[in-house]
Amino acid sequence: DAMVIQNPRYQVTQFGKPVTLSCSQTLNHNVMYWYQQKSSQAPKLLFHYYDKDFNNEADTPDNFQSRRPNTSFCFLDIRSPGLGDAAMYLCATSMTSGNYEQYFGPGTRLTVT
Amino acid sequence: EDQVTQSPEALRLQEGESSSLNCSYTVSGLRGLFWYRQDPGKGPEFLFTLYSAGEEKEKERLKATLTKKESFLHITAPKPEDSATYLCTVHSSGGSYIPTFGRGTSLIVHP
Repeated sequence: DAMVIQNPRYQVTQFGKPVTLSCSQTLNHNVMYWYQQKSSQAPKLLFHYYDKDFNNEADTPDNFQSRRPNTSFCFLDIRSPGLGDAAMYLCATSMTSGNYEQYFGPGTRLTVT
Repeated sequence: EDQVTQSPEALRLQEGESSSLNCSYTVSGLRGLFWYRQDPGKGPEFLFTLYSAGEEKEKERLKATLTKKESFLHITAPKPEDSATYLCTVHSSGGSYIPTFGRGTSLIVHP
C-alpha cells in the first residue's frame, strides 16, 4: 500500500546533540510537510516543500533545518535540541492538483534528556 | 487571516449516545474543509473532504456536513473505538495547499 513512513518512531537525544528524523513516501506526492505537535495541541507547520522549493514558516526556529534530496525522501535536522523541542514530529504529503487532503506518517516521538 | 475554531475541546459520551462536533471557519474563499481522526501517539488519518455548502459525506457512524460558516461531524451511536481526537482543517484560495488547523476535539466514548 502507498504510504508515508517515518523513522525512527521514537528518538531519544541529549540536550544539544544533533538529531535527524526521516520521512519517505510512496505516494509520489509533490508536497511534503513537517509538523511539530505537542501534547493536546494542533500540529504546527515548520516547513514544507513544493517539489524542490523549500518554504520556511516565519516562526520556525533556525535550529530546525530540512532537506529533500528527491521526491520520495525528506529529512528534518534539529541542530541543537533543547528541552522545548521534545514533541511528536509529523511528516505529511499532499498533491497540489485536485484534492488537497494530507496523508500523514505515524510520527516520530522525540525525547530530549 | 484564515481561522478555524473547533468545539467542544473535549467530549465524553456513553456508548450509543449520538452527538456532534463543530468546526467554525473564516476563510477567504474555501477550497476545501477536511476532517481527520488522530489516535494517541499516531499521525492524523484522513476522513472526509467537503467543498461546498450543503455537501454531506458519510462513513460508518460518521457524517460530515458543511455550511458557509461551519461544518459538523455527527457521530451516531458511537462505540469506544471511536474515541480519538478529531481535527478540522481548511484550505483557502489564498493559502492553497497550506491548511489552517483547528485545535481539535478530544472524544472519549465510555462503554
